[in-house]
Amino acid sequence: DAKTTQPNSMESNEEEPVHLPCNHSTISGTDYIHWYRQLPSQGPEYVIHGLTSNVNNRMASLAIAEDRKSSTLILHRATLRDAAVYYCILRELRGGKLIFGQGTELSVKP
Amino acid sequence: NAGVMQNPRHLVRRRGQEARLRCSPMKGHSHVYWYRQLPEEGLKFMVYLQKENIIDESGMPKERFSAEFPKEGPSILRIQQVVRGDSAAYFCASSPLGGGLYGYTFGSGTRLTVV
Repeated sequence: DAKTTQPNSMESNEEEPVHLPCNHSTISGTDYIHWYRQLPSQGPEYVIHGLTSNVNNRMASLAIAEDRKSSTLILHRATLRDAAVYYCILRELRGGKLIFGQGTELSVKP
Repeated sequence: NAGVMQNPRHLVRRRGQEARLRCSPMKGHSHVYWYRQLPEEGLKFMVYLQKENIIDESGMPKERFSAEFPKEGPSILRIQQVVRGDSAAYFCASSPLGGGLYGYTFGSGTRLTVV
């Protein structure tokens, strides 16, 4: 079973920032926090991952709470192409599979 | 640097036939994972392989499904005697190592339709 909790859906306006929350209160010390997204009719796409510190890349930023029980994926300026299902997943340091939950379906309004 | 290549993109099989789905991981990636997505459902893990080894097959149905990742060539997901319920999108992913240090790269998937 997925060990994360996300809202089922969120809405955003184009060119505005989006904050996608994720709760993972049972996270262990060696769990990495991974984010993926799946656009309609496509395979999942890696977005970002982190362990303790906040992370930035060209796609997004990941803000991790100090106690690591929650995290937030930040899209700085949403575009219509960011409309997708976003998955927050915990992955063990030595683990293999990713366990996908239901994710958050993000819709972006022009 | 090509991404994860899956073929065919679309596959139609009659009930009782065999389906073979192929996945070529990214160059330098030795870990391959297969996932299935049934219509209107989430992604479900099926199997995790390294070259010539099955590491975790806890998500594979007990019958008719098998997977391999030979020393040379792509990983193959094989479904024997397909039934309508096997109709789904099958995704392959690869990573350079197992574990949380690296993200997966997914392929575009094979959409299997059983008629």
